[in-house]
Amino acid sequence: DAKTTQPNSMESNEEEPVHLPCNHSTISGTDYIHWYRQLPSQGPEYVIHGLTSNVNNRMASLAIAEDRKSSTLILHRATLRDAAVYYCILRVSHSGNTGKLIFGQGTTLQVKP
Amino acid sequence: NAGVTQTPKFRVLKTGQSMTLLCAQDMNHEYMYWYRQDPGMGLRLIHYSVGEGTTAKGEVPDGYNVSRLKKQNFLLGLESAAPSQTSVYFCASTDPFPGDEQFFGPGTRLTVL
Repeated sequence: DAKTTQPNSMESNEEEPVHLPCNHSTISGTDYIHWYRQLPSQGPEYVIHGLTSNVNNRMASLAIAEDRKSSTLILHRATLRDAAVYYCILRVSHSGNTGKLIFGQGTTLQVKP
Repeated sequence: NAGVTQTPKFRVLKTGQSMTLLCAQDMNHEYMYWYRQDPGMGLRLIHYSVGEGTTAKGEVPDGYNVSRLKKQNFLLGLESAAPSQTSVYFCASTDPFPGDEQFFGPGTRLTVL
């Protein structure tokens, strides 16, 4: 399974944009890039996913490098409720796809008021 | 829709006791998963299922067994609990398309004394 690398922690001020980076240099052509976050004492929740193009949804934006070896999750205006651990995960799409998510350590985001 | 539910929410066992954790989903998903999360760590996959009647091993399957007799339910069994199995257990479900998100349950906090 292809691996991702994220910084252990980041800090942000409330109402400012946050850019969370992820490196995935061994990504294969058909792997999807997924982001999940885990709020304290809760199960992970889906944030966004993409394959090649940048993606936007109500929660965040995902910017994918042209060579797909890295991506950035963008929270446009961080709130205190965005303080969580953010996981960048590759989900394979080739035959035999099992939907497995391999979690790394993630990035712990602290949001300061 | 209740989404993914887990029973029980908390449990304390003595070493050597057995128990079964129940996961139920009402989204008609094909794929289901059991993860464990130790303090300060990301989630690790124990076992998973890609359809009713099928199961497969994940990253850390030793000491656990699973069954998927009905599409909506995925059971995780501990035959002889050990203190190393003290953890928070999460269940998740999804459909096969690689862009599909995984939906997670609220977790079961298990302590083995």
